[in-house]
Amino acid sequence: AQSVTQLDSQVPVFEEAPVELRCNYSSSVSVYLFWYVQYPNQGLQLLLKYLSGSTLVKGINGFEAEFNKSQTSFHLRKPSVHISDTAEYFCAVTLANTGNQFYFGTGTSLTVIP
Amino acid sequence: DVKVTQSSRYLVKRTGEKVFLECVQDMDHENMFWYRQDPGLGLRLIYFSYDVKMKEKGDIPEGYSVSREKKERFSLILESASTNQTSMYLCASSLASVETQYFGPGTRLLVL
Repeated sequence: AQSVTQLDSQVPVFEEAPVELRCNYSSSVSVYLFWYVQYPNQGLQLLLKYLSGSTLVKGINGFEAEFNKSQTSFHLRKPSVHISDTAEYFCAVTLANTGNQFYFGTGTSLTVIP
Repeated sequence: DVKVTQSSRYLVKRTGEKVFLECVQDMDHENMFWYRQDPGLGLRLIYFSYDVKMKEKGDIPEGYSVSREKKERFSLILESASTNQTSMYLCASSLASVETQYFGPGTRLLVL
């Protein structure tokens, strides 16, 4: 069975500081990996995704993530956060061979402090 | 831009009522999904559909049914609403397997 673990439910960080949001997954088969962001009172939108190729993936708003197969991780990073990055962040996986069903983590609430 | 719309942003219903949540996408996507989002539990898949009139159960289908009569529309039905179905409901669509899911703004349902 597939599962996604986001270890930190809440992450407070000061403006312009770096941040890392952690995501680990478990799967016996190859997976594709996604990070979504949910701003207050909105639906989810895609930040970035890893399907194949370079393990370092760059997304929108200056975010990037690195796929580490040996550690089954896909951590999200930003070198300098802004107030506008305050949101809920979700990691998700889907199976590489079927892909119909996405499995989401429980989310990490990022709060950027002025 | 892909647009996924949901019929209501906020809904208040009474226990036992039949509730319809509608979702429409405008990009001819094959796949459509219904999730519920609860604090500390993230998103949980209720049902998904990969074609008209086709549906698959997700992780928590109990108490829900779905209908997809047209490609662009996917309805979630609560046959007899209960208080434990108070939640945020999110609809999503994707072009095909593995593709990015596009989400609607969500419907916040309160069952009294």
